Amino acid sequence: DQQVKQNSPSLSVQEGRISILNCDYTNSMFDYFLWYKKYPAEGPTFLISISSIKDKNEDGRFTVFLNKSAKHLSLHIVPSQPGDSAVYFCAQRSGAQKLVFGQGTRLTINP
Amino acid sequence: DTGVSQDPRHKITKRGQNVTFRCDPISEHNRLYWYRQTLGQGPEFLTYFQNEAQLEKSRLLSDRFSAERPKGSFSTLEIQRTEQGDSAMYLCASSLEFGTGPYEQYFGPGTRLTVT
Repeated sequence: DQQVKQNSPSLSVQEGRISILNCDYTNSMFDYFLWYKKYPAEGPTFLISISSIKDKNEDGRFTVFLNKSAKHLSLHIVPSQPGDSAVYFCAQRSGAQKLVFGQGTRLTINP
Repeated sequence: DTGVSQDPRHKITKRGQNVTFRCDPISEHNRLYWYRQTLGQGPEFLTYFQNEAQLEKSRLLSDRFSAERPKGSFSTLEIQRTEQGDSAMYLCASSLEFGTGPYEQYFGPGTRLTVT
């Protein structure tokens, strides 16, 4: 039973354009969603989070949108840069403190 | 502080052998987490510690797995009688947490275990 789903295993975007990564969830009882980025041979690196009481959070080129009625969130990266090529994970955090991760989406930025 | 470190980075072992992994968290962090990641999946929670107390264990953590965090500093994860299904990346993360907040977890580079 996958509580957090990232239905697109991969995404290819041209440099300078917008990258949109999607995440769906089933458990409405949560405190935060966090996005992580992972390069090969490295551990995941925290990017940005959003509280359950917000619908948008922005940090530089990264913006996360939360649609609670649709149980959906998305990460927008604009403009996309070659260094953004990585695997992106969304992760749900509830009161139990552990993170429940999606399967990940591999983003490739083409020059 | 250079972040979370894990040792070894790679481990190849024969089925039935015991293995132990070590994680050194960021020094002031009070929470330490272990996750397991297999190919094409996101990290899956195994267990976590607040200081030296182990507060939660996943059903993924069979009785062949044991984790410790003596004195609330580094942690070890031991797998006894390894099976081929134990082959995975084992990730450690730490965080400084009190009250409420996103309290992002900082991950180490992982230990890749291959059971032959």
